Amino acid sequence: QQQVKQSPQSLIVQKGGISIINCAYENTAFDYFPWYQQFPGKGPALLIAIRPDVSEKKEGRFTISFNKSAKQFSLHIMDSQPGDSATYFCAARGASGGSNYKLTFGKGTLLTVNP
Amino acid sequence: ETGVTQTPRHLVMGMTNKKSLKCEQHLGHNAMYWYKQSAKKPLELMFVYNFKEQTENNSVPSRFSPECPNSSHLFLHLHTLQPEDSALYLCASSPLGGENTDTQYFGPGTRLTVL
Repeated sequence: QQQVKQSPQSLIVQKGGISIINCAYENTAFDYFPWYQQFPGKGPALLIAIRPDVSEKKEGRFTISFNKSAKQFSLHIMDSQPGDSATYFCAARGASGGSNYKLTFGKGTLLTVNP
Repeated sequence: ETGVTQTPRHLVMGMTNKKSLKCEQHLGHNAMYWYKQSAKKPLELMFVYNFKEQTENNSVPSRFSPECPNSSHLFLHLHTLQPEDSALYLCASSPLGGENTDTQYFGPGTRLTVL
């Protein structure tokens, strides 16, 4: 119920191409869906996030598409660049009791953008 | 120093050692978190502190002992660890209240190896 399933595990894209990473969840109580980007030797950093009342959010080359009925959301990276090579994690926020919330993370996708 | 800092960045310890990990956030946040990141597994939430009070213990073995003396500092005391505890330990912080309560800011992590 609390899992977030992420695919693919790894992805190789040519420079200028579109990178697409997908996530699926079961818990309909999740109410916030962030994507994190992690470079080697660094902690994850928030990239973009969406709430379930919208179907799409775009920030620069990064877009989240959200399908509430299918309980799926995806990250699209347009015009992928070698500097985008990193591990990407999707996450979902759910209540953990009282007024507390916690993030449940996917397993991550290692993106490699070839020059 | 800005953001979330963690020390040490790398730690090698034997199973009988006692060591501590330190996290400090310079963002004025009131919530702090410990996560464990293992290869090919989702980030695992270990502990959550809100206003110095522990609000989440995600069934973590007692050989991990957190301490939060104030809203800016978080420690993870380690003793009699097992080799399977080897992982990257990430600290994060987030504000409580306001519009950005969902955003967690991560430190660079401590790479722990248990021999």
